[in-house]
Amino acid sequence: EPEVTQTPSHQVTQMGQEVILRCVPISNHLYFYWYRQILGQKVEFLVSFYNNEISEKSEIFDDQFSVERPDGSNFTLKIRSTKLEDSAMYFCASSEWPGLYEQYFGPGTRLTVT
Amino acid sequence: GQNIDQPTEMTATEGAIVQINCTYQTSGFNGLFWYQQHAGEAPTFLSYNVLDGLEEKGRFSSFLSRSKGYSYLLLKELQMKDSASYLCAVRDPGGYQKVTFGTGTKLQVIP
Repeated sequence: EPEVTQTPSHQVTQMGQEVILRCVPISNHLYFYWYRQILGQKVEFLVSFYNNEISEKSEIFDDQFSVERPDGSNFTLKIRSTKLEDSAMYFCASSEWPGLYEQYFGPGTRLTVT
Repeated sequence: GQNIDQPTEMTATEGAIVQINCTYQTSGFNGLFWYQQHAGEAPTFLSYNVLDGLEEKGRFSSFLSRSKGYSYLLLKELQMKDSASYLCAVRDPGGYQKVTFGTGTKLQVIP
């Protein structure tokens, strides 16, 4: 069964450093998403992406965040200058279409900022 | 914005039925999801409701009342592997992609 994959599974970085989290969505999906979940808290929407551009973003997704689809398979989330409060699990998801179609989540990348 | 309320924790017995409630207050409505999340894992899709009524899928059913801002997830014939958090999530009005999650209900199934 097709699945969303994410690398790395765990990333440790120092405050102020840049990190890139990588995702490979399901191959025939057109919509891609990033979510985060701070330990013990709820899942939070960050951004959705379609046709090589951001379609929706939350107030969390400020100028330090960016997303890119550098080739036909990868979808990346970059955090330019990490802060302690960026420590969280970051989930990538994809769907065939928006609306009623379900989003398939990847296993997540645990980001730890020290 | 969206405000979503769910009980924090529930306990139920193996083989029994449990109902997990979710209430929401929103400026509009565009559909409601239920997800299951085991500890340390990603959410997995369970159901989607956009119209009033009951949607049944095997041991899991989900109900929606838009006029009451209320949904529930019904789990039948509980199994130990059903121990997980159950997340209610509402699609934001005006868009099809942004989804607001509740804090989740942690269900413990006991023998």
